[in-house]
Amino acid sequence: GENVEQHPSTLSVQEGDSAVIKCTYSDSASNYFPWYKQELGKRPQLIIDIRSNVGEKKDQRIAVTLNKTAKHFSLHITETQPEDSAVYFCAATGGGADGLTFGKGTHLIIQP
Amino acid sequence: NAGVTQTPKFRILKIGQSMTLQCTQDMNHNYMYWYRQDPGMGLKLIYYSVGAGITDKGEVPNGYNVSRSTTEDFPLRLELAAPSQTSVYFCASSYLSGGRAGNEQFFGPGTRLTVL
Repeated sequence: GENVEQHPSTLSVQEGDSAVIKCTYSDSASNYFPWYKQELGKRPQLIIDIRSNVGEKKDQRIAVTLNKTAKHFSLHITETQPEDSAVYFCAATGGGADGLTFGKGTHLIIQP
Repeated sequence: NAGVTQTPKFRILKIGQSMTLQCTQDMNHNYMYWYRQDPGMGLKLIYYSVGAGITDKGEVPNGYNVSRSTTEDFPLRLELAAPSQTSVYFCASSYLSGGRAGNEQFFGPGTRLTVL
């Protein structure tokens, strides 16, 4: 089955700087790669996703890149703000009906 | 729309007890999922359903059962609760699955379960 590795487990950046979180996946059939943000005690919230026919996608300060050859994808957050502090999860899924395979998460800390 | 709702929010069980976690969605989604999230970890798939009457096992199904008699509801049953089942349980739903547009999964608020 699919295996998703996520790095780093903790990332501390100064407010206003950029943050990058990286994930690798094992199943070459995977074709959908969402990113979720989870605040303490809350549900995961979808913030951006990318499909295998696209190399990059942007939404304001957030972007995701996908390299299918290398089987890795990354989340980029620019101009970080205190409200960006949370745990971020990457995930992957293939063409089947089974659910997402998640990475273990990155705790993003924005230092004032 | 309420989206995906779950009850209860919190529960403490004794070892060997049973309970049902409820999940309901009002988005007319075909696909529903149950995940568990252990402290400091990502979510792991327990069971999923592609429509009423059809369910299948995920990565960690042992100790759980599900049913899907309607499009809206997807309850998760714990039989003979064990301390290893202490976790936060999230239900999710999506209109489609796989890599197709419309496959975005939306999560419920979660049920925090402790087994003592």
